[in-house]
Amino acid sequence: EVQVVESGGGLVQPGRSLRLSCAASGFTFDDYAMHWVRQAPGKGLEWVSGISWNSGSIGYADSVKGRFTISRDNAKNSLYLQMNSLRVEDTALYYCAKDVRKQQLVGWGLDYWGQGTLVTVSS
Amino acid sequence: SYELTQPPSVSVSPGQTASITCSGDKLGDRYACWYQQRPGQSPVLVIYQDNKRPSGIPERFSGSNSGNTATLTISGTQAMDEADYYCQAWDSRTGVFGGGTKLTVL
Repeated sequence: EVQVVESGGGLVQPGRSLRLSCAASGFTFDDYAMHWVRQAPGKGLEWVSGISWNSGSIGYADSVKGRFTISRDNAKNSLYLQMNSLRVEDTALYYCAKDVRKQQLVGWGLDYWGQGTLVTVSS
Repeated sequence: SYELTQPPSVSVSPGQTASITCSGDKLGDRYACWYQQRPGQSPVLVIYQDNKRPSGIPERFSGSNSGNTATLTISGTQAMDEADYYCQAWDSRTGVFGGGTKLTVL
């Protein structure tokens, strides 16, 4: 059974940092691109960042570029999101998701999602 | 930056056909996909690569994409289909979601 489980969320002050993790199982992790998607309370989905199977291709939303860094450890079947200089507007539920398409960052659709981890940025 | 536009809401009677549109510049030149999200739940992929259904998604869900518009069609809509629906596509190496459409079955 395919599973992705996010962790690392919490309450953090503006300007501070947080690192999210995503543990994947039930599929060949290093065959697929992985993505982070967030959803602010009561709002729609926002794609945050994605990384190809071998970390050779990475993308970021303009809203997080220069502040967030995505990475993966294929040996540990894990995806990460380092979030620096956090802002109040980064408050959201952060989802980790797997793409249907193998290898490529630009995918076909996200077919497995975790339950999300909540990040709250507030003083 | 690339934008995808969806109607905020669509209403449909049970058993009828619901159509939800997603508009973007030359959207037909790229793949579109669709997600269903029920309240309090994670999104579920219902259509990928314009018109393909993942395993487990009912046949009443179908998709098309041409010109500037992608369309999600739900035939024989059921009460359980009431949810928010989001389209998504790619602009270079950036993923883009539409603003979402609330489907009401009444």
